[in-house]
Parts: sequence; C-alpha cells; structure tokens
Amino acid sequence: GAVVSQHPSWVICKSGTSVKIECRSLDFQATTMFWYRQFPKQSLMLMATSNEGSKATYEQGVEKDKFLINHASLTLSTLTVTSAHPEDSSFYICSAYAGGLARSSYEQYFGPGTRLTVT
Amino acid sequence: KQEVTQIPAALSVPEGENLVLNCSFTDSAIYNLQWFRQDPGKGLTSLLLIQSSQREQTSGRLNASLDKSSGRSTLYIAASQPGDSATYLCAAAGNKLTFGGGTRVLVKP
Repeated sequence: GAVVSQHPSWVICKSGTSVKIECRSLDFQATTMFWYRQFPKQSLMLMATSNEGSKATYEQGVEKDKFLINHASLTLSTLTVTSAHPEDSSFYICSAYAGGLARSSYEQYFGPGTRLTVT
Repeated sequence: KQEVTQIPAALSVPEGENLVLNCSFTDSAIYNLQWFRQDPGKGLTSLLLIQSSQREQTSGRLNASLDKSSGRSTLYIAASQPGDSATYLCAAAGNKLTFGGGTRVLVKP
C-alpha cells in the first residue's frame, strides 16, 4: 500500500515553455502532498506543501508564480513549471502523507521523481 | 530551523565490511526519523522509520538507532555487498521533513 506515482518520469522542453508534472496517490487519499527539488549530487529541498482544496504553501525563495501547484482532488497534485529556463532543470519529487497506511502519522511516501531538462 | 547533517559525505569499503552512517539533527522535537536509499537518477526507497518514542529499528542487515537527546541517528549495514552501493539519506520529520546531504556509499567487490 501507500503508492505514489509521478508522470512523466522524464521530460525535455525548450526554454520559455511550461511543463506540468503530475503526482498521484494510487491507493489512498492524500490531503497533503509535498513537492521537492533535487539538484545533481545534492539533497532534497522542500519547495512547497500542497493542500487539497486550498492554496499551496511555498518555502522561502521559491517563486509561486513560476511553480504553480494545484491540488484539485484527494489523489492528484500537479506542479507546473512556467516559462522554464535551463536553471530549472532538476529532479522533482513529490510525496504524500499516507494517513492510516503509514507507520507514523507523519510518514511521507515518495513518488519516483521526474527529471526535467530545459534546453 | 532544523538542520540535518550527514557524515561522512562519501564512504568506500570492501565487500563484507560493516557500514556505519551518521546523521545529526539540531532540533530534537521530531515525530520520526527516516533513512532512505537513493540510486543514481532514481527516487527514494524508504529503508527504516524510527518513531520519536523508539530507540531503534531493524530490518534484515539494517539497523538504525535514534538518540533524540543528543540529536543523533546511526544506520548500520552489516556485511556490506556491492548492491548496497548508493546514496543514503536521513530525514527528520518535524512540521517539515528536513533531509541531510546524504552519504554516498561504494562497496567494492
């Protein structure tokens, strides 16, 4: 149980275009999802917390107008990178609290990640 | 603000040797501490989760300890194998999940 999927697994786009990444909880409902970014050889950095039916909470330094987050249902959150530039190239990973399926109330289950390359 | 540090940043051992990976955190007010494995270009695989009320967790060759008072967790991997080569990340769960920088492990045959 507690499976999180992401789509696409990798994407290449041209500078200036927008890219949407989907994060789905497959076997549970997730009221809260998280989006992380990981640059090469670095650790994961939290970008934002996505709450179903309300606005996302962004971490300091993350541009909310550039990284649009929509959590329209209990099983889907999307991250849209708008007007992407090469410096946005990174590995984006989502996670979700799994509620009753989790070992701990605050355990997050992670998706497999999406590698974005902006040319 | 929680800060999580992992030492060493990289580790190379011959096959069969035991691995000891260290994780320290500055804020002891955590709900749990997790250890993850990450292979190159891949996502995270959860290895062990230690709840704040626990002192250790074990799974096969893996054992993780937690000392909240000193802000430390240690992951032990017994009898290392080349397949254990990966980056190991610890993460402390407070109101956010804060990751350490990871330890890159290479187990040489």
